[in-house]
Amino acid sequence: AQTVTQSQPEMSVQEAETVTLSCTYDTSESDYYLFWYKQPPSRQMILVIRQEAYKQQNATENRFSVNFQKAAKSFSLKISDSQLGDAAMYFCAYRSAELYGNKLVFGAGTILRVKS
Amino acid sequence: DTGVSQNPRHKITKRGQNVTFRCDPISEHNRLYWYRQTLGQGPEFLTYFQNEAQLEKSRLLSDRFSAERPKGSFSTLEIQRTEQGDSAMYLCASSLEGQGNSPLHFGNGTRLTVT
Repeated sequence: AQTVTQSQPEMSVQEAETVTLSCTYDTSESDYYLFWYKQPPSRQMILVIRQEAYKQQNATENRFSVNFQKAAKSFSLKISDSQLGDAAMYFCAYRSAELYGNKLVFGAGTILRVKS
Repeated sequence: DTGVSQNPRHKITKRGQNVTFRCDPISEHNRLYWYRQTLGQGPEFLTYFQNEAQLEKSRLLSDRFSAERPKGSFSTLEIQRTEQGDSAMYLCASSLEGQGNSPLHFGNGTRLTVT
């Protein structure tokens, strides 16, 4: 079974600075997808960014980018120019590319605090 | 796109009672997922449907839990004889499969408190 590990329970960043959240995963599959989801306090979970394992190029979405290292099974999220609205719980998630096996497997999450 | 809707938002029940939650997915989405999330933890997979067919259930899901998705539209999750350990946020998500790597869209969840 696949597992996702987020080793940082909590991170802090100064407004306008850059922060990197770590994620590692374990799988024997070669084709899969990786995601970062954001869950603000008392609000619904929303997708931040996704990466297909077959793509070598790292995904970017505005201020959010990932560092995908397939051999190391590492998938970190970099948030540039941090804003107060970025404060949330961030979850890394894995999804198999198999047709009927593609539920999301989540890590335990990292709380991100943004200081003004 | 009105998003994924879950009802009720909060449910307080006494131990031993049965509870039922409802999820209305995004209308064109054919896949529907149920997750459970306890405080400070990541969501834990419970089960998912493709249309009306329940394709996978977590081995962690006890026999007291049952989910249905009649006609492939809304879904219900029932917990029988609730226990205090069932207290958690129950999240529903939906996605459109057959279009590659489509993301899951989550609802706001139903928070269950068992006293």
